Formats: sequence, structure tokens, C-alpha cells
Amino acid sequence: GDQVEQSPSALSLHEGTGSALRCNFTTTMRAVQWFQQNSRGSLINLFYLASGTKENGRLKSTFNSKESYSTLHIRDAQLEDSGTYFCAAEQGGSAKLIFGEGTKLTVSS
Amino acid sequence: GGIITQTPKFLIGQEGQKLTLKCQQNFNHDTMYWYRQDSGKGLRLIYYSITENDLQKGDLSEGYDASREKKSSFSLTVTSAQKNEMAVFLCASRTISNERLFFGHGTKLSVL
Repeated sequence: GDQVEQSPSALSLHEGTGSALRCNFTTTMRAVQWFQQNSRGSLINLFYLASGTKENGRLKSTFNSKESYSTLHIRDAQLEDSGTYFCAAEQGGSAKLIFGEGTKLTVSS
Repeated sequence: GGIITQTPKFLIGQEGQKLTLKCQQNFNHDTMYWYRQDSGKGLRLIYYSITENDLQKGDLSEGYDASREKKSSFSLTVTSAQKNEMAVFLCASRTISNERLFFGHGTKLSVL
């Protein structure tokens, strides 16, 4: 079965608002990464976490390996935040990275 | 800094044709990956390589071959292109300590 379950599949935000994206894992994962795929299809690495919380500007991500989930919080959303957000996770002892199905975020004015 | 270059950017093939996609990185990364992305979908792992001359199958390896000729390059072969197949193939790399993954811009495949 799918090891990385991402939700929601789609999200609409007005500029200036915020929300959270989530990934649940069906097995214990060693680390998680979050990516944004823009309208041109380019994948940008936002965060790599082996544990805890990281913050970068209006984005904050948390990884709880014991409870098998990770979140990506977006605050004060801007139009350029639109795109598809993916999480990817790996098990200990493996270089195999498995991606979720993505969350398509649309930010409108 | 560095860059991952995928060639060609666009590839049009015929049904049954063998097609090769190339990927070069100048990050000096150890581990390289090939993913397939269908329109509106997530990324599925085809092959990955932990170091030069290593090859590991992903979940979607059937119908593909891969070759890690040297540390900086990783090629993918579609052994027999399927009619109406359309997808983007993404190459990625990272260090052996397995941290942040970086992607190329992709090769868009269309099969007539």
C-alpha cells in the first residue's frame, strides 16, 4: 500500500491567510522533505527534516517520526505560493525516497 | 552551488522504440534518482543509484533500464515506448549522507 499519504489533495487560500498541509506515513520514516512544484514544473526543495521543526520565512515544517506524520504550515499566503506541494520520505537504512501525491494550492486575491 | 542538466528537454518517440534520457550533475553528489511524473500526479521512483556503478530498482522499474556510467551521470532507457504514453521524467541527486534532494528540469516524453 501507499507509504506516504498526503492531504488535502487541493487547497484554496485567499492572500494573507494560512493553512497546513499534512503527510501521514504508514511505516516509520527516518526523514522527510518538502517540495514546491511551480507552474513551469520545476521542483524546489523547501525543507529537509530528520526531526523537530524548521522555519523559513512564511513556511514552517514539523516532523514527528514517532507519530509518523509531517506538516507544512503556510502563513500570509501570497499569489506566488500557488503550485503543488509534495512531501517525500525515506526509511532508515535506505536511500529510497517515496513521494506523496501532492497538494495543489491555489492562492487568489 | 551546482546544476542538474537533463537532455533532451522534449522527446518524441514511436511506439516500440527504445529511447534514452540523460542526466548530468555537477554537485559531486553520490546518489542519483529517476522519477516519472504523469500529468497531475505524484512522482514515482523508477531507478536510483547510491554510487557509481550501483543500480537499485524503484517501484516502477519494469519497462526501463538505467546506467550509472560515472559519478556525474545517470541515464535512463525506455526499453519499448508505449503508444500514447506521455509523462515527464525527472532526474534528481543528493549526497551520500542523504539529505536534501535537488531536481533537474525534466524530460517531457510523448509517444505517437
